[in-house]
Amino acid sequence: QVTLKESGPGMLQPSKTLSLTCSFSGFSLSTSGMVVSWIRQPSGKSLEWLAAIDWDGDKYYNPSLKSRLTVSKDTSNTQVFLKITSVDIADTATYYCARSSGLTVDYWGQGVMVTVSS
Amino acid sequence: DVVLTQTPPTLSATIGQSVSISCRSSQSLLDSDGDTYLNWLLQRPGQSPQLLIYSVSNLESGVPNRFSGSGSETDFTLKISGVEAEDLGVYYCMQATHAPWTFGGGTKLELK
Repeated sequence: QVTLKESGPGMLQPSKTLSLTCSFSGFSLSTSGMVVSWIRQPSGKSLEWLAAIDWDGDKYYNPSLKSRLTVSKDTSNTQVFLKITSVDIADTATYYCARSSGLTVDYWGQGVMVTVSS
Repeated sequence: DVVLTQTPPTLSATIGQSVSISCRSSQSLLDSDGDTYLNWLLQRPGQSPQLLIYSVSNLESGVPNRFSGSGSETDFTLKISGVEAEDLGVYYCMQATHAPWTFGGGTKLELK
C-alpha cells in the first residue's frame, strides 16, 4: 500500500526558510521511473507544481520559483525534502507531496498546511 | 507555461444526471513519445486530490466506469455518466507533457 505523509512547521514568519518533509512507504524511490513531487494549493485555489526528484536523483523545478527551491532525498530513499527560502504571505498554502510513476501522479499525501505570518 | 482552461467553473447536477467538463490547453499535449499526458483529478471537500483518469482516457484502478475521458491535442473532456453523491467536489485537469506540470482552474460539481 502506497502512502505519503507531509510534515512541516505549521506557521513561520516572512523571510524565513520553510522546510518540509515527505515520508513515504509502499514503494521505492530507487525504482526506475519513480518520482516524488511537491505541489501546493492556496486555500480555495487551484494547484501549483513546485519541484520533483526522481529515482536517479535528478531534480526538477518550476522556473517561476526555482531560485527559492531546493528538493532533496535521504540516502535510504524513504523521505523527500523541500526547502523554500525567503517565504512571504503568498507562500501560505497546503503543501502536498505526490508520487509519480512515469508522468502520472497516482498517489497524493494528505497535505500539510503552512501559514506565513508575522 | 501551458495554460489549461476548464469550463464550466461550476456545474450543478442532480443524482443520475450525466455531465461533461471541458479542458482546453494552450499547446498540444501530444508528447514526442506518442502519449498525451493529460490527467483528471477529483478533490473531494477536505481531501487531497485523487487520480481518476490518466493519459486522456485510461481509468485509474478502482475508479468507477461511469467516469470516462476523451480528446486529443488541445481539447479534452471528462464525462460522468450518472452522477452519484460521492462524485461531488472539484475536478482538475493536469498536464505532464510540458515542464512545468500545470493544472486547470478546477470545476466544482454541486448538487442541484
